[in-house]
Amino acid sequence: GAVVSQHPSRVICKSGTSVKIECRSLDFQATTMFWYRQFPKKSLMLMATSNEGSKATYEQGVEKDKFLINHASLTLSTLTVTSAHPEDSSFYICSARDYGAKAFFGQGTRLTVV
Amino acid sequence: DAKTTQPPSMDCAEGRAANLPCNHSTISGNEYVYWYRQIHSQGPQYIIHGLKNNETNEMASLIITEDRKSSTLILPHATLRDTAVYYCIVRVAYTQGGSEKLVFGKGTKLTVNP
Repeated sequence: GAVVSQHPSRVICKSGTSVKIECRSLDFQATTMFWYRQFPKKSLMLMATSNEGSKATYEQGVEKDKFLINHASLTLSTLTVTSAHPEDSSFYICSARDYGAKAFFGQGTRLTVV
Repeated sequence: DAKTTQPPSMDCAEGRAANLPCNHSTISGNEYVYWYRQIHSQGPQYIIHGLKNNETNEMASLIITEDRKSSTLILPHATLRDTAVYYCIVRVAYTQGGSEKLVFGKGTKLTVNP
């Protein structure tokens, strides 16, 4: 199946700093990418949807100035957690959809803010 | 909100078939049933999807009732590596350029026992 690569897989940062997470579709062009976060023992919660070349659409309750999403090309989307705080510590997962009906997921990024 | 209901947990003996039920009584005519699974600390993995006919691939079979209000994912010969959380999701049909999102419910935690 299609491959979605997410980087880094783990990151530890200090409170107040910003962290960028990359999501790449390796063997297909992703018209749409999705960003999720997941807390321990909880399900995935959709944060935002991004289409290449346009602004992301954020889910209710997700701060767009806090979680900056850039989908600059058909193979790359980035999520930047700005001014991170300990409560932002979570598992962040991206998903990419090609021109077909399936969505493929990255391996996730474990963010720890200390 | 998720439009599906799944049992929170199930157990299965290794080598036996695992039958995971899903209720989606409010499914619309243009919505597909998707199944994904998430092994601990990894991104979700696509398993199978269908509209109204039963489907089979190398991973699993999907049985959808005639009224489409429920479905069952069948893993024919479960192995220890099939231990994961299984998510049943309904999603509108694919449209080119669309951004239909996958909304995850709580899923079923399947434990395959030796």
